[in-house]
Amino acid sequence: DTGVSQDPRHKITKRGQNVTFRCDPISEHNRLYWYRQTLGQGPEFLTYFQNEAQLEKSRLLSDRFSAERPKGSFSTLEIQRTEQGDSAMYLCASSLGTGGERMTDTQYFGPGTRLTVL
Amino acid sequence: QKEVEQNSGPLSVPEGAIASLNCTYSDRVSQSFFWYRQYSGKSPELIMSIYSNGDKEDGRFTAQLNKASQYVSLLIRDSQPSDSATYLCAVNEGWAGNQFYFGTGTSLTVIP
Repeated sequence: DTGVSQDPRHKITKRGQNVTFRCDPISEHNRLYWYRQTLGQGPEFLTYFQNEAQLEKSRLLSDRFSAERPKGSFSTLEIQRTEQGDSAMYLCASSLGTGGERMTDTQYFGPGTRLTVL
Repeated sequence: QKEVEQNSGPLSVPEGAIASLNCTYSDRVSQSFFWYRQYSGKSPELIMSIYSNGDKEDGRFTAQLNKASQYVSLLIRDSQPSDSATYLCAVNEGWAGNQFYFGTGTSLTVIP
């Protein structure tokens, strides 16, 4: 257990429905990342937060995807109008983030939320 | 498109042998390098991080980094059946950006 928690662990939904996932990072970590992983692939970056600010978004993140991190603590990832292609493991990771000119960082992953869209 | 390449395997080694996993990356500005282990159906688990050229050892694991060749490797000595998993290589630009790029992973099987 890395200290990063995700909820729910599994979600089955019908195409066209909206789903929301939650991630609670390690408490002192100021960076939070969302990834998507499909079978046989490595994690694909979706978006990342520095405290409450969403600093980067992948082009994989279509308009149907939105992420928030109010107050710089937990984060939510919402997928609207789900499609079968959204079926994947959604991983959250957090990192402490070091300051200064040269930043080195280590991510710790949560257990993931497995989404199945029927 | 920044790329991280790994041989997908599967790689099979007998118990007690050395397993060698390789990774190349395309972006010369990459600064931080990581190896994660992922068991089937589970999330990635950090094994090693390395930032400077050379070797870094932690127990049975040794990471090797050669920035000139854009190459990072992981050696697992005295391989155990419990090491059977997919090993993911990840790189991070550091100060130039904060995205992490993952390879597709190498599947390792340690045969008892």
